[in-house]
Amino acid sequence: QKEVEQNSGPLSVPEGAIASLNCTYSDRGSQSFFWYRQYSGKSPELIMFIYSNGDKEDGRFTAQLNKASQYVSLLIRDSQPSDSATYLCAVILAKGTYKYIFGTGTRLKVLA
Amino acid sequence: GAVVSQHPSRVICKSGTSVKIECRSLDFQATTMFWYRQFPKQSLMLMATSNEGSKATYEQGVEKDKFLINHASLTLSTLTVTSAHPEDSSFYICSARDLKGQSYNEQFFGPGTRLTVL
Repeated sequence: QKEVEQNSGPLSVPEGAIASLNCTYSDRGSQSFFWYRQYSGKSPELIMFIYSNGDKEDGRFTAQLNKASQYVSLLIRDSQPSDSATYLCAVILAKGTYKYIFGTGTRLKVLA
Repeated sequence: GAVVSQHPSRVICKSGTSVKIECRSLDFQATTMFWYRQFPKQSLMLMATSNEGSKATYEQGVEKDKFLINHASLTLSTLTVTSAHPEDSSFYICSARDLKGQSYNEQFFGPGTRLTVL
């Protein structure tokens, strides 16, 4: 089992719809969770981070964390063609370290 | 704030040569920087953690004699790919932690360096 897993996609959604991206992780002791967006040929850019169970909203983005079920998700409301990118989930697995473990990423396509 | 730069952005070299990539934190101090490698259609793979003033910590399977890391100051880390070969062609990305930032766990990424070895 991989430490951080994501469905590679592509996930296709129509413009204006909600895109739902999921990430599961294997280490129950994981502390910090990050969602990054990466356009082709570019480096990742942070969308948001979440540390506590529940939802965290920032504009059109909502991150959801469920530590009991060991998953973190990202919802993108009112999806736009410019949201088409690869979305990377990153997890810090253990307290006291700061290393990210990245998932394989989910490619999102928002269809105009 | 929290800007990380990398230089060069793109480099093409002949097999057997060495290539140095610089990673700088422009507006904050970074005691820890990270080096990643990304092959096409794959995710980022952590190569090593670079700590200012001490030896880098390499991930399993990464040759420390081939990928030399130096973190001589709080704003600069360098990665040298020694005797590069075509299989080293990849996208190299660095990141840095801002200890005084709002999210001390967050890593700020540089724009990446595209290395092509002929």
